[in-house]
Amino acid sequence: DIVMTQTPLSLSVTPGQPASISCKSSQSLLHSDGKTRLYWYLQRPGQPPHLLIYELSNRLSGVPDRFSGSGSETDFTLKISRVEAEDVGVYYCVQSLQLPVTFGGGTKVEIK
Amino acid sequence: QVQLVESGGGLVKPGGSLRLSCAASGFTFSDYSMSWIRQAPGKGLEWVSYISSSGSPKDYADSVKGRFTISRDNAKNSLYLQMNSLSAEDTAVYYCVRGRWMFVYWGQGILVTVSS
Repeated sequence: DIVMTQTPLSLSVTPGQPASISCKSSQSLLHSDGKTRLYWYLQRPGQPPHLLIYELSNRLSGVPDRFSGSGSETDFTLKISRVEAEDVGVYYCVQSLQLPVTFGGGTKVEIK
Repeated sequence: QVQLVESGGGLVKPGGSLRLSCAASGFTFSDYSMSWIRQAPGKGLEWVSYISSSGSPKDYADSVKGRFTISRDNAKNSLYLQMNSLSAEDTAVYYCVRGRWMFVYWGQGILVTVSS
């Protein structure tokens, strides 16, 4: 199974400041079709997760452009350019290159 | 709009069985693979199982293989998860999710508690 490792475990951010979450996979997530099968989800308290970024760097429709995904093969980053109050929750990186789909342990983002 | 509504959760004793259902609406159910993903209380997310749009193939996490069975009824727009030989480690919120690789639509989840 592909192991996904996220850092940090938690983050406390002042509104308006940037935030960055790192994710590493135990093997390359680059598919033979050239797309990287790395996804970012946000789970707000009491809610199911929702998709923010798909295939490394594509924002789902409706996701604010302050969210951006980057990286390559095994090292990935989710950046929030200016954190807002609604961004609190737990962020998960997920690999969907192969089954089983595996999730990072999550990064909890709080507002200072 | 896409809706996924889970039912069938609750309290069950260790060794017992439970069948979860997911009623889908707002899209052509038979066109999509479906998955179950679970989350133990206070923990992260764990992929459980997936089933293709036609019902085969399907796959399971090692932690549930041989105990859980995923199925679907495309005529009823419904997804199921038959869970047998339940243990405390299966206690979790179970989410019905559309898709096999990319999970845009999630149900609200249903709690399964395994306890004596």
